[in-house]
Amino acid sequence: AQTVTQSQPEMSVQEAETVTLSCTYDTSENNYYLFWYKQPPSRQMILVIRQEAYKQQNATENRFSVNFQKAAKSFSLKISDSQLGDTAMYFCAFPRRGGADGLTFGKGTHLIIQP
Amino acid sequence: GAGVSQTPSNKVTEKGKYVELRCDPISGHTALYWYRQSLGQGPEFLIYFQGTGAADDSGLPNDRFFAVRPEGSVSTLKIQRTERGDSAVYLCASSPVGGETGEQYFGPGTRLTVT
Repeated sequence: AQTVTQSQPEMSVQEAETVTLSCTYDTSENNYYLFWYKQPPSRQMILVIRQEAYKQQNATENRFSVNFQKAAKSFSLKISDSQLGDTAMYFCAFPRRGGADGLTFGKGTHLIIQP
Repeated sequence: GAGVSQTPSNKVTEKGKYVELRCDPISGHTALYWYRQSLGQGPEFLIYFQGTGAADDSGLPNDRFFAVRPEGSVSTLKIQRTERGDSAVYLCASSPVGGETGEQYFGPGTRLTVT
């Protein structure tokens, strides 16, 4: 079974700082995707960034980037120049069966950006 | 275009009652997913539809839970004889044909409270 572990229940940083959220996972698949989702108080899950396992280059989306280490099964999210609007729950997610069959989520990290 | 919508936004019901939660996916998305998110947890997979049929319902906790998608678009999650433990946010998501990337688009969820 796929498992996703987020070991940081809560993190707090000052505005404009850089913060890294950690995620580890377990899978027997070789080709897969990994995701970070953001969930603000509005409850709407928003895709932040996606990584394809067969690509060695780490994905980047503006201020968001990942550090993907396939051998270590580690998938951390780095947020640069953090903004107040980044305050939210962040979930690491992994396809349940390597494809279209739903996602397995970690327990989440509550990120607080202080002014 | 319009995103995934869910109704009602909030639902309060008494223990033992029957409830229906509705999801309108993004137009043209053939895959539809239901998740349950308990307080302080990540979403947990319930059921996955591809078109009109339930491709995987292994996440439904027991036979009080049932979901339908009769015309391959709108889906309804039905809960019979509700229990206080059913209180949670119920999230719906959809993805395009195939959805091989696993990327899903989420609705804002329905918060169910069973008193």
